[in-house]
Amino acid sequence: QITLKESGPTLVKPRQTLTLTCTFSGFSLSTSGESVGWIRQPPGKALEWLALIHWDDGKRYSPSLKSRLTITKDTSKNQVVLTMTNMDPVDTATYYCVHRLTVAYNFDPWGQGTLVTVSS
Amino acid sequence: NFMLTQPHSVSESPGKTVTISCTRSSGSIASNYVQWYQQRPGSAPTTVIYEDSQRPSGVPDRFSGSIDTSSNSASLTISGLETEDEAHYHCHSYDGPNQVFGGGTKLTVL
Repeated sequence: QITLKESGPTLVKPRQTLTLTCTFSGFSLSTSGESVGWIRQPPGKALEWLALIHWDDGKRYSPSLKSRLTITKDTSKNQVVLTMTNMDPVDTATYYCVHRLTVAYNFDPWGQGTLVTVSS
Repeated sequence: NFMLTQPHSVSESPGKTVTISCTRSSGSIASNYVQWYQQRPGSAPTTVIYEDSQRPSGVPDRFSGSIDTSSNSASLTISGLETEDEAHYHCHSYDGPNQVFGGGTKLTVL
């Protein structure tokens, strides 16, 4: 059974850098075909894909946020880390960690999500 | 990049059938698979349809997906509505490495 759980600050100040960690179990990111990504959802709004990292360390970013995002993995710890620079109140959202198989097109499963509020 | 447009909300009575649309703004809807996710209040999304019309194990066959190239849209149809189907539904597709979500549709079963 695959599970993912997000951790990180619940409150960040404008212009700060957000660092979120996804800790997962039930698979290894060193196994061919495995990927982990991040998706966010502002309160009452749509889902927005942010980034994806593959087993071979290939990385993909949302074109609109690429300059602010970095995704990395630590296969020994079963963790994926997302950093987002220059946070703004509009970045207030629930941030989800997601699993995806390279051969699949859907994200499954999702972590429970973590709400990050950007406010001074 | 393209956009996926969904109705903001739909409502229907228990036992009835409802269809939620997802229209692609540019490029063919048939070019890339469409997925549908169900999101109940306070919970993370779960897949109800993947690859246009495939249903994961455990999802009732009351849920079905299709695409229509004439309207360049995908549809999620839920038959025999149950109160537990009340949720937000999100469509999802991609263009190369870029993933795109629709705005989400709130389904009310009343």
